[in-house]
Amino acid sequence: DTAVSQTPKYLVTQMGNDKSIKCEQNLGHDTMYWYKQDSKKFLKIMFSYNNKELIINETVPNRFSPKSPDKAHLNLHINSLELGDSAVYFCASSPRRGRETQYFGPGTRLLVL
Amino acid sequence: AQTVTQSQPEMSVQEAETVTLSCTYDTSESDYYLFWYKQPPSRQMILVIRQEAYKQQNATENRFSVNFQKAAKSFSLKISDSQLGDAAMYFCAYRRGAQKLVFGQGTRLTINP
Repeated sequence: DTAVSQTPKYLVTQMGNDKSIKCEQNLGHDTMYWYKQDSKKFLKIMFSYNNKELIINETVPNRFSPKSPDKAHLNLHINSLELGDSAVYFCASSPRRGRETQYFGPGTRLLVL
Repeated sequence: AQTVTQSQPEMSVQEAETVTLSCTYDTSESDYYLFWYKQPPSRQMILVIRQEAYKQQNATENRFSVNFQKAAKSFSLKISDSQLGDAAMYFCAYRRGAQKLVFGQGTRLTINP
């Protein structure tokens, strides 16, 4: 049983396009996150939602818009894709806003040409 | 802002030997959590071990153990009886309460047969 799933696993697209990455968790967790891993493997938080409420919004371009239709889903929409957006994007979840371990999805590798 | 530093970009060890990966962090808080995550070539982020700062006892998980030195702000990971499947990128991470995970730069571990 997949705990945190992401679709698609790979995404190749042209500059200027708009794309979405979907994330779903079946763990009953309240809090979900998006992280970006760059070409040097550095991982950094982008957003966090707790029960559909945005609680963390790092300095991310406003071309990136997270959407949480319910607490089991956190999608990431990216407008006007740029070369620098190429990265691996990880979704994660944790049981509640607090002292819990975060569990990661398998990642989505985005390549912008 | 909290920072996490892994000073060893790469490490290698002979199969069945022991290896220690270093991690230091900077924080003014007294209550926080530290984690080691493993990222094999599959890209999946896998939790290896977790340490609560208020606990003096070092965490252990089978062949994995940590040396947590709170005053020195040091959190090293020891892998005993290294196995080929341990080959991966290892990330040290810090988290305070409900906030984001802050990751180190990662250490690439190679296991020599």
